[in-house]
Amino acid sequence: GEDVEQSLFLSVREGDSSVINCTYTDSSSTYLYWYKQEPGAGLQLLTYIFSNMDMKQDQRLTVLLNKKDKHLSLRIADTQTGDSAIYFCAEKGNQGGKLIFGQGTELSVKP
Amino acid sequence: GAVVSQHPSRVICKSGTSVKIECRSLDFQATTMFWYRQFPKKSLMLMATSNEGSKATYEQGVEKDKFLINHASLTLSTLTVTSAHPEDSSFYICSAPDRKNTGELFFGEGSRLTVL
Repeated sequence: GEDVEQSLFLSVREGDSSVINCTYTDSSSTYLYWYKQEPGAGLQLLTYIFSNMDMKQDQRLTVLLNKKDKHLSLRIADTQTGDSAIYFCAEKGNQGGKLIFGQGTELSVKP
Repeated sequence: GAVVSQHPSRVICKSGTSVKIECRSLDFQATTMFWYRQFPKKSLMLMATSNEGSKATYEQGVEKDKFLINHASLTLSTLTVTSAHPEDSSFYICSAPDRKNTGELFFGEGSRLTVL
């Protein structure tokens, strides 16, 4: 079945780069997403990548996709304290367009 | 971008009462909306898919009679937690898909339910 896995925690120092990793199982996924959730709030789409791409860059965010290994990563350059949040990786499933979410990676940025 | 709004953002109720949560798409029409439940420090669990004008599709293990979903218009879906119990306390989030076929979901702000 469809499954998305992420590590649960990541701690970095302000100014460093953060890399959040994700693996998925559905090779037919057409889109893969990164969402950010701040405490007590809903989810905010950060970026997405189409499955025929291997990289997408948007300001401080870089998404890398290794379709062969079914591995997705999100790199945040010059991480700030405001980046502290939970980051969810998601894939678009093949049933009714539902998104399948990973468990979320809690990013902690220390000053 | 598109906006999805949920109401109320927080609700506290007594055990045995019912609570209704509204999810509105503010500047677009949504024939489909998704209801998720999130436990503390946990991922999102899809509860059901709300379909405008027809019955909701529930995920395995979700009680239809417990979590009533109504999608009466193209901009409003409601989730009613009936006869709420403390174990129903959770963060409920609705979402609606982008009309473009990217599959992007726009999420509401979430509703924190606490059942005493």
